Amino acid sequence: KNQVEQSPQSLIILEGKNCTLQCNYTVSPFSNLRWYKQDTGRGPVSLTIMTFSENTKSNGRYTATLDADTKQSSLHITASQLSDSASYICVVSPYQAGTALIFGKGTTLSVSS
Amino acid sequence: KAGVTQTPRYLIKTRGQQVTLSCSPISGHRSVSWYQQTPGQGLQFLFEYFSETQRNKGNFPGRFSGRQFSNSRSEMNVSTLELGDSALYLCASSLNRAGGETEAFFGQGTRLTVV
Repeated sequence: KNQVEQSPQSLIILEGKNCTLQCNYTVSPFSNLRWYKQDTGRGPVSLTIMTFSENTKSNGRYTATLDADTKQSSLHITASQLSDSASYICVVSPYQAGTALIFGKGTTLSVSS
Repeated sequence: KAGVTQTPRYLIKTRGQQVTLSCSPISGHRSVSWYQQTPGQGLQFLFEYFSETQRNKGNFPGRFSGRQFSNSRSEMNVSTLELGDSALYLCASSLNRAGGETEAFFGQGTRLTVV
């Protein structure tokens, strides 16, 4: 069964610190892996998209990595800010599935001052 | 340019009723997908429409249906509402570029509460 598992479920860090969120998936084959940020009460916003052949992709303070062999991805947030407080969702797009995306349940990040 | 617009933002319905949600995609986007988000299950794919045709469907009962109009606007309908249908319903539009990298842009969602 195609699944996306994320850890930790929630995380609290101090402003200015770095953190890393994990994503393990069983979807195979897949077209791409995405990370989304979802603020409370709002729709998800794309942070990064990586194809199976890419190892890393950055978007400002966000850096995603992908290891297609071990089926693992991580999202590293550098120098966290209060505005980073949100849910971070790992999403896998199965091969030729279009927008029939498979979502993880997300990691809720809280950044405190 | 304007983003994905979903209406209404909030809705309260009674069990057994039916509801229609609306989604206007980003101008030029022809693919519209619908997702259900609940605390227990997270985000789940409902269906995708492209050029007025349902192209893909998730694992939801037939009470959930949708359609797309010639201007790419889409509606989602849920009949005979159940308490478990309470959720945030998200719509996403995409350009449907070749190569499989179909970036989805999400709307703010419609929060449906069934009482």
